[in-house]
Amino acid sequence: AIQLTQSPSSLSASVGDRVTITCRASQGISSALAWYQQKPGKAPKLLIYDASTLESGVPSRFSGSGSGTDFTLTISSLQPEDFATYYCQQFNNYLITFGQGTRLEIK
Amino acid sequence: EVQLLESGGGLVQPGGSLRLSCAASGFTFSNYAMSWVRQAPGKGLEWVSDISGSGGSTHYIDSVKGRFTISRDNSKNTLYLQLNSLRVEDTAVYYCVGGQLYWGQGTLVTVSS
Repeated sequence: AIQLTQSPSSLSASVGDRVTITCRASQGISSALAWYQQKPGKAPKLLIYDASTLESGVPSRFSGSGSGTDFTLTISSLQPEDFATYYCQQFNNYLITFGQGTRLEIK
Repeated sequence: EVQLLESGGGLVQPGGSLRLSCAASGFTFSNYAMSWVRQAPGKGLEWVSDISGSGGSTHYIDSVKGRFTISRDNSKNTLYLQLNSLRVEDTAVYYCVGGQLYWGQGTLVTVSS
């Protein structure tokens, strides 16, 4: 199965900061990558699919990039509601996998 | 409004069985591949199984192969997951997922003696 490694595992930042989270795949997955946001006690929310396509209704401060094995999620200016856990997910083959998550905390 | 409502979770002893259901509304159910994703307490997300829109193709994570069975009834807009031979490590919130976009609220499965 394709493994996804996110870094960092946790991150402290302040409102207004620019934040980047990285997801590395154990083998090439083209652009078959999605990013999710999850808040405590809630279901995950799709932010980005196909590595860089913003889901409808998601604020434009979120952006995704990358292809092959290296991907990034960037939040251009953190807002209070962005403090959450973020997961990448690959769907390149029929065995879907998630990264281990990045917990974004308030500094 | 899209809704995915899971049911069927609960407390079961190791070796026991449960059947999870997910009732879908607000979208054309048969057009979507559906998945089950689980999250153990305090842990990350783990994809468990998926099924094509027609139901003709299914996939499973290795740890549940031979124990779990995914199915769907497109006439009832309902997704199922039959969980047999349950293990303590199957304890998790199980989410029903439509495509990648639509997620249910989750149902908790606790396997404990």
